[in-house]
Amino acid sequence: GDSVTQMEGPVTLSEEAFLTINCTYTATGYPSLFWYVQYPGEGLQLLLKATKADDKGSNKGFEATYRKETTSFHLEKGSVQVSDSAVYFCALSAGQGGKLIFGQGTELSVKP
Amino acid sequence: DTGVSQNPRHKITKRGQNVTFRCDPISEHNRLYWYRQTLGQGPEFLTYFQNEAQLEKSRLLSDRFSAERPKGSFSTLEIQRTEQGDSAMYLCASSLGFRDYGYTFGSGTRLTVV
Repeated sequence: GDSVTQMEGPVTLSEEAFLTINCTYTATGYPSLFWYVQYPGEGLQLLLKATKADDKGSNKGFEATYRKETTSFHLEKGSVQVSDSAVYFCALSAGQGGKLIFGQGTELSVKP
Repeated sequence: DTGVSQNPRHKITKRGQNVTFRCDPISEHNRLYWYRQTLGQGPEFLTYFQNEAQLEKSRLLSDRFSAERPKGSFSTLEIQRTEQGDSAMYLCASSLGFRDYGYTFGSGTRLTVV
């Protein structure tokens, strides 16, 4: 079945460091890919998405490119801030129902 | 747009009791999804509705779980004879039709079964 695998956390970075969170997927067909963020005590928020191969999603300085050849959707940010501390979830949506399948989440902690 | 609203935010119940959660989606969204999230894990799909029709249920949704969406508006998720393993965050999300639009999540209902 369809699945998403993320790099394990927690990831601890200093402010202004470069961030990469790896995400790979397994899916039949052509899924849409998403990154969601969950700040402490809050619900899931859509960070960015890509709907077809080679699409780049971007938002708030974060970027991810849909790579069909490597079945990957890695999240990157050039300079992280303390306010980026959160749990990041990679997800895919496939099939007529459009349900989301999530990875296990990667906790990011950014220190001043 | 008031977002997706879930009530209650927290629920503590004794094992064996029944509980019901409510989700109010964004008004124009025709699809509504329920997920369950346990500590340190990503959300797991439970079921979804298109308008009032329940179109898919996960194998995670045992006979003790039932969901409804009368009139295609709000939805309820009921758990009968709760067990300690039911302790989790229950998330509701809504979307407008196609999967490419993304989904708006509520803040969730945290259930603790003691």
